[in-house]
Formats: sequence, structure tokens, C-alpha cells
Amino acid sequence: GAGVSQSPSNKVTEKGKDVELRCDPISGHTALYWYRQSLGQGLEFLIYFQGNSAPDKSGLPSDRFSAERTGGSVSTLTIQRTQQEDSAVYLCASSLTSGGALEQYFGPGTRLTVT
Amino acid sequence: SQKIEQNSEALNIQEGKTATLTCNYTNYSPAYLQWYRQDPGRGPVFLLLIRENEKEKRKERLKVTFDTTLKQSLFHITASQPADSATYLCALTKTSYDKVIFGPGTSLSVIP
Repeated sequence: GAGVSQSPSNKVTEKGKDVELRCDPISGHTALYWYRQSLGQGLEFLIYFQGNSAPDKSGLPSDRFSAERTGGSVSTLTIQRTQQEDSAVYLCASSLTSGGALEQYFGPGTRLTVT
Repeated sequence: SQKIEQNSEALNIQEGKTATLTCNYTNYSPAYLQWYRQDPGRGPVFLLLIRENEKEKRKERLKVTFDTTLKQSLFHITASQPADSATYLCALTKTSYDKVIFGPGTSLSVIP
């Protein structure tokens, strides 16, 4: 079975442009997370989707960030009017989340560089 | 607001010794605590999960303790090997349907 996939693996964009990052979770996983990791830092929680519930957006750093999850599967993280401080690795993870099965499976990440 | 702290300094230990990593938290009451390993350039990989009603969990050379009174988890790697060198992250969640938040991680180097 395939793991979590993310695309693109690397993205270089100019300041002020919009970017879309994609995540394909493991089939059947109801929970999907987006995290941001700056160089040498820990994981910063961004947003969490759980089944049909309203997403937990409490970690989004500004209104330039948004995310969607279509059909309970694929998710897209959109950053509008990118800034240099948005440069980081964006990690997506999914988990089964039933019966306390919480372990997350991470994708390889998208490295975003804003010039 | 909730805060998670891990060993602030990188940990260097000799091969064969036991590595002990610490995860402390404040303003939070997690029902579940997880430990992950992260290698450079890769996403974290799940290692162990312990529940609030469990004191200790073991898996091969790994052992995790969870003290809800001290608000602390200890992660032990016995008979450490150079291949254990990585960053180790603790992660907390209140319920099985709540978001998971991660600590900053501890870098471990096992010296041959």
C-alpha cells in the first residue's frame, strides 16, 4: 500500500505569488494534518481535518493560509501572497483515528522557498 | 497556553549506553503521548504511544514512561547504536479525536 504522498517535493516561488501544496493521505485514514517545519525547528501545527467535522484551523499563522480537503481524501494547502518567512518544509500526515489509533504517517514534505 | 519542552541541548552518548530523553508539558492534560523519530530530510516516523492510564510501555530496546503528576514522559533507548542517531519528538493529544501537537525535538547522537 502507498504511503502519504505530497507534491511538489520542492517549490521555489517569488515573494507575493500564491502557491498550492498537495497531500494524498493513506486510503481510509479519516484524519489529516498539515505541519510546518523551519530549518532545525520542531513541527508547527497548522490545520487538522477529522472526518466530516469542521477543521481545526487554530494553527494557521495568518489569513493568507487556507486548506481544503475534498471528498475526505486529498488536501490542498494554499498560501496567498507568499512572504520570505513562509519558507519552510510543509509536512502532511494522516492517521486512522478510530479506537485510539493515533499514530500519524507522514509524507516526505514539500520544501517551499520564497525568494 | 500549552507548552511542550524537550531536552534543550543535543544529547551525545557512547554506543551501548542508555539514552534518556525528556518531554515536559504545561497547561495541558493529554490522554495520549507519542514518540516519533525524525531523520534529516524526512518526515517523522511513529515509534510508541502511551495512554494516560499507562505508566510504562516497551518495544524492543525502547521504553517510555508517562507521569501525569509530574507532567513528564521519559523515553529510553537501551544498548544504543549509531543507527539510533536522529531527532526524537514527543507529541501530545487530549483525546483520540483532538489535534496532535509536537514538542521541539531532541537531537541524539550515538558515538561509536
